[in-house]
Amino acid sequence: AQTVTQSQPEMSVQEAETVTLSCTYDTSENNYYLFWYKQPPSRQMILVIRQEAYKQQNATENRFSVNFQKAAKSFSLKISDSQLGDTAMYFCAFMKLSGGSNYKLTFGKGTLLTVNP
Amino acid sequence: GAGVSQSPSNKVTEKGKDVELRCDPISGHTALYWYRQRLGQGLEFLIYFQGNSAPDKSGLPSDRFSAERTGESVSTLTIQRTQQEDSAVYLCASSFGTGNQPQHFGDGTRLSIL
Repeated sequence: AQTVTQSQPEMSVQEAETVTLSCTYDTSENNYYLFWYKQPPSRQMILVIRQEAYKQQNATENRFSVNFQKAAKSFSLKISDSQLGDTAMYFCAFMKLSGGSNYKLTFGKGTLLTVNP
Repeated sequence: GAGVSQSPSNKVTEKGKDVELRCDPISGHTALYWYRQRLGQGLEFLIYFQGNSAPDKSGLPSDRFSAERTGESVSTLTIQRTQQEDSAVYLCASSFGTGNQPQHFGDGTRLSIL
């Protein structure tokens, strides 16, 4: 079974600054995806960024980038030039790619990020 | 519509009543998922449908929970004899296949059991 741990229940950052959210996971799988989802007050889960485990290059999406350390089983999210609209819950999630149940997302408990003006 | 649609948005009911939650996936998406999100927690997998294959019901917490989906269309999640611990947000997602296909989520149904 996989577990995902987000050790920061809450974080805050000033607008335009950079913030990093932490995520660690535990798995015996070798092929998997890692995701960061954003959940604003509207409740909809929005995919921010994803990383294939077999790729060494860290994924980037505009102001969002990850630091994927496979050996350490660490997957942190960096948000640059934070904007007020980035205020939301952020969830780290894992999905294995091979074998059965290669569709279940396993989520961490989330980090509430507040961007202050 | 363009996204996953869920109804109702909010539901308040008395303990012991049955409730039915609806999910309308993105057109063409063969896979459909239900998740539960308790207050302050991440999402817990409940059930997965893929086309006409047998669903994966391994995440359903008790036999009071059931879900149906006809083909690749609407799904309903039914909770019978609701208990206070069933209070949560129930999120539905759909995807075009599985594996490397991202799951697209609806806005969820907030269920409150009095």
